Amino acid sequence: DGGITQSPKYLFRKEGQNVTLSCEQNLNHDAMYWYRQDPGQGLRLIYYSQIVNDFQKGDIAEGYSVSREKKESFPLTVTSAQKNPTAFYLCASSTRQGNQPQHFGDGTRLSIL
Amino acid sequence: DAKTTQPPSMDCAEGRAANLPCNHSTISGNEYVYWYRQIHSQGPQYIIHGLKNNETNEMASLIITEDRKSSTLILPHATLRDTAVYYCIAPPRGTSYGKLTFGQGTILTVHP
Repeated sequence: DGGITQSPKYLFRKEGQNVTLSCEQNLNHDAMYWYRQDPGQGLRLIYYSQIVNDFQKGDIAEGYSVSREKKESFPLTVTSAQKNPTAFYLCASSTRQGNQPQHFGDGTRLSIL
Repeated sequence: DAKTTQPPSMDCAEGRAANLPCNHSTISGNEYVYWYRQIHSQGPQYIIHGLKNNETNEMASLIITEDRKSSTLILPHATLRDTAVYYCIAPPRGTSYGKLTFGQGTILTVHP
């Protein structure tokens, strides 16, 4: 089946540790996105990429980094500089046609030990 | 983004139609209306989108008023599995590769 796969589903981080969240899509979409969702809140955009080897900061990029070396993959690293990393992280992808919707993975829940 | 307003919560009996309203009075002429839903601890699921004509797919129908200031998502025969938070959004045109701004949405509870 075509879709977006995020792994792991649950992740625990120790203080001062970097962790990387995986996002893979087989939808042949050019654009990919990372969002963060806090309890009872809407989504906030962290980073997005419209094409391989290019990405842009979203509204809350501080403390995060990404790479886009392959069309199918858009990993997100939560660095130790992110002081409040506990959240639900969502990856999405879409075509670059102007009105096409974004499709989401099932998320990774990150917690601090 | 055009600002959207939705009721915080709604109830619906199983098997009945669920009609979820959304107000988007500031929408511009080329902005689409998108509907997503999110079941607890899962990613948002795309439901349907439209510009000015009514739309229908296997999940739902979208009715957009002629002046485009509001819309209604219709789940024709709600089931318990349709219990979720429903989001109506209207991002600026050309930002399908930009950010989506999800507000608080409508919590739909389908009861037996």
